[in-house]
Amino acid sequence: AQKVTQAQTEISVVEKEDVTLDCVYETRDTTYYLFWYKQPPSGELVFLIRRNSFDEQNEISGRYSWNFQKSTSSFNFTITASQVVDSAVYFCALSEDTASKIIFGSGTRLSIRP
Amino acid sequence: DTAVSQTPKYLVTQMGNDKSIKCEQNLGHDTMYWYKQDSKKFLKIMFSYNNKELIINETVPNRFSPKSPDKAHLNLHINSLELGDSAVYFCASSQKVGTSGAGSTDTQYFGPGTRLTVL
Repeated sequence: AQKVTQAQTEISVVEKEDVTLDCVYETRDTTYYLFWYKQPPSGELVFLIRRNSFDEQNEISGRYSWNFQKSTSSFNFTITASQVVDSAVYFCALSEDTASKIIFGSGTRLSIRP
Repeated sequence: DTAVSQTPKYLVTQMGNDKSIKCEQNLGHDTMYWYKQDSKKFLKIMFSYNNKELIINETVPNRFSPKSPDKAHLNLHINSLELGDSAVYFCASSQKVGTSGAGSTDTQYFGPGTRLTVL
């Protein structure tokens, strides 16, 4: 069975601080996909990244970076030099190749204070 | 151009009524989904259709009936609305890839959501 745990319910940091959002997953499949989505206060769900289980390279996109470690079943997301516009709920998600659905974690609410 | 669109954005109705939410995608995707997001922001899949065929039905009450007239549209009809149906409903779509053939491994793109309030 697939499961995604985002243990941090809420995080609040001051602008310009770095912040890491944790994501731990469980799966029995060897082929699977991990995702991060952002849900800003306006409510839409914005796709951020998709990573397959065979690619453990870290990814950087501007101030965003992702650390995928199969040894610890984690796919953590770091925002460098956070900005107020980064305030949102962030969801980590998992899809097993043999399944027909994506399972979402419970989300981490990130608040960036000016 | 909006990739995945939903109408209406807001829906306020009385208990016991029947209502529909429409979803359309112009991405040429084969697979479409309905999700429910409750007040605690928990996102849970309800249905998935692949090329008009139902492939996921996550033990949703049969008051909820999805209908896919073509692969670009997936509508959600809800009968006899209850207070507990109040939530935000998201439509999503993805291209069919992956060994499961159901598009589960590809990125899902979401619509803007429909906030349903049952009074």
